Amino acid sequence: EVQLVESGGGLVQPGGSLRLSCVASGFTFSRDWMHWVRQVPGKGLEWISRINRDGTITEYADSVKGRFTISRDNAENMLHLQLNGLRVDDTAVYYCSRDMVAWGQGTLVSVSS
Amino acid sequence: DIQMTQSPSSLSASVGDRVTITCRASQDIRDYLGWYQQRPGKAPKRLLYAASILQSGVPSRFSGSGSGTEFTLTISSLQPEDFATYYCLQHNTYPVTFGQGTTLDI
Repeated sequence: EVQLVESGGGLVQPGGSLRLSCVASGFTFSRDWMHWVRQVPGKGLEWISRINRDGTITEYADSVKGRFTISRDNAENMLHLQLNGLRVDDTAVYYCSRDMVAWGQGTLVSVSS
Repeated sequence: DIQMTQSPSSLSASVGDRVTITCRASQDIRDYLGWYQQRPGKAPKRLLYAASILQSGVPSRFSGSGSGTEFTLTISSLQPEDFATYYCLQHNTYPVTFGQGTTLDI
């Protein structure tokens, strides 16, 4: 069974940083593109980043480019998202996804002073 | 970026009803479209991909059609567990973009 479990969310002040992680199981992690998608509570879904199988290609939404960094560790079946320069409007549930098919349960990032 | 416009934004229906949700793309996306269901407090779940192909395990009352710029999701006979929010997603061009969602309630 495919499982994705995110962690690392929490409350942070504007300008702060967080590192989100997603541990994958039940499939061959190194064979799939992985994504991060976020959702402001009560609002719609926003794709924010993806990474290719070996981590050599990364892409970002304009809203996070230059502030967020996606990475992966295929040996550990882990996906990461480094969030720097956080803003109030980054407050959302962050989901990791296996090629936009399987999704984790999400981790909440709250940015507030 | 490609804009995805869903309609309606909300829909009231009853168990047994047939409902249709439409998604329009701002440019041709061929059939690079998926439909997702999201129940409150849960992660999205993919129902269909390539506009019309049912994801494994998804009931056959869900169907999809369309290509190019206009797409539809149809639920043939609503069940209680179908009351949720539905999103379309285009992945023809990055950044991939979602519709704004359609909330289906009683």
